[in-house]
Amino acid sequence: DQQVKQNSPSLSVQEGRISILNCDYTNSMFDYFLWYKKYPAEGPTFLISISSIKDKNEDGRFTVFLNKSAKHLSLHIVPSQPGDSAVYFCAASRRDGQNFVFGPGTRLSVLP
Amino acid sequence: DTEVTQTPKHLVMGMTNKKSLKCEQHMGHRAMYWYKQKAKKPPELMFVYSYEKLSINESVPSRFSPECPNSSLLNLHLHALQPEDSALYLCASSREGGMNTEAFFGQGTRLTVV
Repeated sequence: DQQVKQNSPSLSVQEGRISILNCDYTNSMFDYFLWYKKYPAEGPTFLISISSIKDKNEDGRFTVFLNKSAKHLSLHIVPSQPGDSAVYFCAASRRDGQNFVFGPGTRLSVLP
Repeated sequence: DTEVTQTPKHLVMGMTNKKSLKCEQHMGHRAMYWYKQKAKKPPELMFVYSYEKLSINESVPSRFSPECPNSSLLNLHLHALQPEDSALYLCASSREGGMNTEAFFGQGTRLTVV
């Protein structure tokens, strides 16, 4: 049973437009959420995180929104750039860092 | 230095071989992890070494064994692997024990078992 779901395996967006990547979770014990980006032949790199006491966290072009009642979070990238093309993993954990789970990933392609 | 260094980058081994993967970080992080990633799948946690204590994902077979010689190094010993163990093996570290803080990943070791 997948505790963290990313229902879109892939997403294509035009350069300059907004990319929205979605993530759903089932475990109500999760209260810390992270996004990682992964290029081919490299390890994942941390992008942005949000704790359950917030509903929004922003860092430059990246914003993560959390809707706890819906158990849903999303990553917004605006404006999208070709260098953002990568696989994006949503991840979740409990506050103590235990039970850390990655979602299956969404491959984002930003077209010039 | 914000790097996690993994060696080797690529490894091909036979099913009767014994090999080791190495992982090193000099960020003073107290937790280190081994993940296994198959193609088009998310990374799956294998082992956590946090504050000198080892935690094991019980689904990981005993042909994989971690070793932590010191707080900067985490090795993964491989013995009698199967072809289905071929995957990308990722090492990560985090400042605190728990992946609810930013984790730094190495570039991975691409392992092929023949």
